[in-house]
Amino acid sequence: SAVISQKPSRDICQRGTSLTIQCQVDSQVTMMFWYRQQPGQSLTLIATANQGSEATYESGFVIDKFPISRPNLTFSTLTVSNMSPEDSSIYLCSEGTDTQYFGPGTRLTVL
Amino acid sequence: GENVEQHPSTLSVQEGDSAVIKCTYSDSASNYFPWYKQELGKRPQLIIDIRSNVGEKKDQRIAVTLNKTAKHFSLHITETQPEDSAVYFCAASRGNQGGKLIFGQGTELSVKP
Repeated sequence: SAVISQKPSRDICQRGTSLTIQCQVDSQVTMMFWYRQQPGQSLTLIATANQGSEATYESGFVIDKFPISRPNLTFSTLTVSNMSPEDSSIYLCSEGTDTQYFGPGTRLTVL
Repeated sequence: GENVEQHPSTLSVQEGDSAVIKCTYSDSASNYFPWYKQELGKRPQLIIDIRSNVGEKKDQRIAVTLNKTAKHFSLHITETQPEDSAVYFCAASRGNQGGKLIFGQGTELSVKP
């Protein structure tokens, strides 16, 4: 499996601000995904990051709130925009066509 | 829409006993079923997976069974050890037709020494 890193590992932010999370894979991968894990909950897919085209968002998630970039086959970013305390979660990226491996996650706290 | 139901939400067993976690899925096009283990503060780690062309797969103390007709699959852990204590998630996907994983709600397994 590819080695996946995320930055930052954690952050504390003020409401109304935005945070961009980076996901780096050590090899070229076709499929990259972004998930949210709220405290004590399961993982929910936010969107599929498509290389060279717009991300595909799941129901309940919109581009204005969670803009995603995928400039090449090894890198993606997720921005959490205009944050509120309800956005406090762990955000995880993953890669894989069917078998998926996860990055270490970004723990976001919004005050 | 697509949904995966997982039971139980918590499970407590004595060391050496077996543990079984069950999941059902709604999307009949699902053909790939992974299980993840998540320890506190860590990322989900893939522990075993099964594809729709087999009914059972085993890896040492861990096994997964799949019943496509009933649309359910189960994780079996034998001879449990305290280090098996974690949250376990099942998931389902259409495999390389889409790749996105739909996760169950998770089972917190506690193995008491």
